[in-house]
Amino acid sequence: DADVTQTPRNRITKTGKRIMLECSQTKGHDRMYWYRQDPGLGLRLIYYSFDVKDINKGEISDGYSVSRQAQAKFSLSLESAIPNQTALYFCATSDVIGLGGSYNEQFFGPGTRLTVL
Amino acid sequence: GIQVEQSPPDLILQEGANSTLRCNFSDSVNNLQWFHQNPWGQLINLFYIPSGTKQNGRLSATTVATERYSLLYISSSQTTDSGVYFCAVLNTGGFKTIFGAGTRLFVKA
Repeated sequence: DADVTQTPRNRITKTGKRIMLECSQTKGHDRMYWYRQDPGLGLRLIYYSFDVKDINKGEISDGYSVSRQAQAKFSLSLESAIPNQTALYFCATSDVIGLGGSYNEQFFGPGTRLTVL
Repeated sequence: GIQVEQSPPDLILQEGANSTLRCNFSDSVNNLQWFHQNPWGQLINLFYIPSGTKQNGRLSATTVATERYSLLYISSSQTTDSGVYFCAVLNTGGFKTIFGAGTRLFVKA
């Protein structure tokens, strides 16, 4: 079974609809992340969470919100979807090991392809 | 914030050829990863390499942290190597991983 899972894998919705993307992990990592990838570009960080009580904005948080329901679950919501939020969305996890938390390798889910019409 | 630049942006190879992909970064880093995004969009971890050299089969990577660059070597390329290769860094004292724009590789049979 995959260590990081995302649901749904594909979603088509209409402008103005509320959408929730879900991420679950079995790696036991404390840190979780949501990224967005636009065609031909690298990934950009939307939100990140270092533990259940810690939520932080990334580069492009406007129009998005998140919920960390448990160590293993991190959800991303689009309150009112708009066409320029059409993108590939990735969830990632990492563990922090070592003095000062110097080891921080990230592992990614399979992605959710979202289309907003 | 830290800048990450990858080169070349696009690369076309004949099957069996070797290649070198480069990642330059503008600040000192704690972490550096190389990923392969396959044509289905999945991100595959290749290397976690904040410094030094690692090898995994036909792929190897070297990071020279003091000179702020990392190289990914692909030898005897295969069509399955096609896709986009990303470098991602976490700068020292930072909390956000920054991705480069990627190198798009196409290997012809």
